[in-house]
Parts: sequence; C-alpha cells; structure tokens
Amino acid sequence: GAGVSQSPSNKVTEKGKDVELRCDPISGHTALYWYRQSLGQGLEFLIYFQGNSAPDKSGLPSDRFSAERTGGSVSTLTIQRTQQEDSAVYLCASSLFQGREQYFGPGTRLTVT
Amino acid sequence: AQKITQTQPGMFVQEKEAVTLDCTYDTSDPSYGLFWYKQPSSGEMIFLIYQGSYDQQNATEGRYSLNFQKARKSANLVISASQLGDSAMYFCAMRGLIQGAQKLVFGQGTRLTINP
Repeated sequence: GAGVSQSPSNKVTEKGKDVELRCDPISGHTALYWYRQSLGQGLEFLIYFQGNSAPDKSGLPSDRFSAERTGGSVSTLTIQRTQQEDSAVYLCASSLFQGREQYFGPGTRLTVT
Repeated sequence: AQKITQTQPGMFVQEKEAVTLDCTYDTSDPSYGLFWYKQPSSGEMIFLIYQGSYDQQNATEGRYSLNFQKARKSANLVISASQLGDSAMYFCAMRGLIQGAQKLVFGQGTRLTINP
C-alpha cells in the first residue's frame, strides 16, 4: 500500500515568510509524528498526534511553529516568520496506535534564504 | 531523559564483510524499545530492526541482527555479508514504552560506505 507522503519535496522561502508543510500518513495509522533533521542538531522530535488526544508539542522549538491534524489523517506543519535556522529537512512519520515501528515519509527540504 | 550515542561518524567496509555499528544508550525508563533505521541518499528513513528491553533474545531480520547487551546499555547493529546497497547513514534510536512516551530519540548517525 501507499506509504507516508509529504509535500512539497523542496521549499525555498525568504526569511520572514510563512510556510506550510503537508503530511499524508499511511491509511489506518492513528499516530503521526513530525521530526526535523538538520546538520547541527541531528534528528529532533517536534510534535506527536494520537487520534483525538491532545498533541504532544514538547519538541516545538518556538511559538513560530504549529501543527494541526484534520480529521485524524492529514497533518500540516506551519512555520511563521521563517528564520535561516529553520532550514532543515522536515520528516513526517506515522504508526499504528501503540505501534512499534514508525514509518517515515521522504521529507520536505526547507531552505530559508 | 533518554540519550543515544553513536561514536562512529563514518565507517568503510569491503563488500561481503560483516560490519558492526555501535550504539549506546541511557534512559531511566524501566521499559523501552531500541530501533535501527537506514537513511540512503534519497533521504527516506527505513526501519531495519527492533529490540525490546525485555526481549530475552537478540533481534534478527535477514542480514541484520542487534547485539543487545542490557547491562552495558549497548545495542549494536550487525550487518552480515555487506552489499554495495548498504551504503547509507544508519541511525540508532529509542523510545520509552510507557503510556504516552511515543517520540523517538535518535543518535547522531554513522555513515557506512561499502567498497567494492
């Protein structure tokens, strides 16, 4: 079946602009995660959604970052007033409820100029 | 808090040889899971193998095996009979298995290069 998909695959934006990154999880997966991969920080957890529960936002680096998940499926990660340090690959993953493995999408490479 | 340490930034191995990628961890969780992921140049993270902290036997998946030494807090990945397609970044990760502890904590990764 289809894996996790993310769009766009690449995004170049100017400093100060807002960006939206999209994630389509595997059908039937109730858990959805966002991670960020950058040269300086490695792979960092950002936010976790599980069903209708309140999301775990403990990894969001600042209040410029937010995410939502509509209808328990598609998720959008929004970065407001982008900064150069936001440049990274943003990875989305999904899993079954209490599932063992997380399945990752191909990522969105964000470049802030 | 959880921490993963991968001390080998890069490794070079001849094709068909076995290779061991090191991973040590630290956690206060009584129950946890350990994972290895492969990230080829395409960027996608590919799940390889899982070891639960209470599993009695070391996990194996085809050419991959996990050398789990709980007392030493190590979870090394062993790849047997390496192939050119094994060249990639490899990440060790962990998460607690208590309710709500779902996020993965990753190490810095090891870049493996298989030479023909």
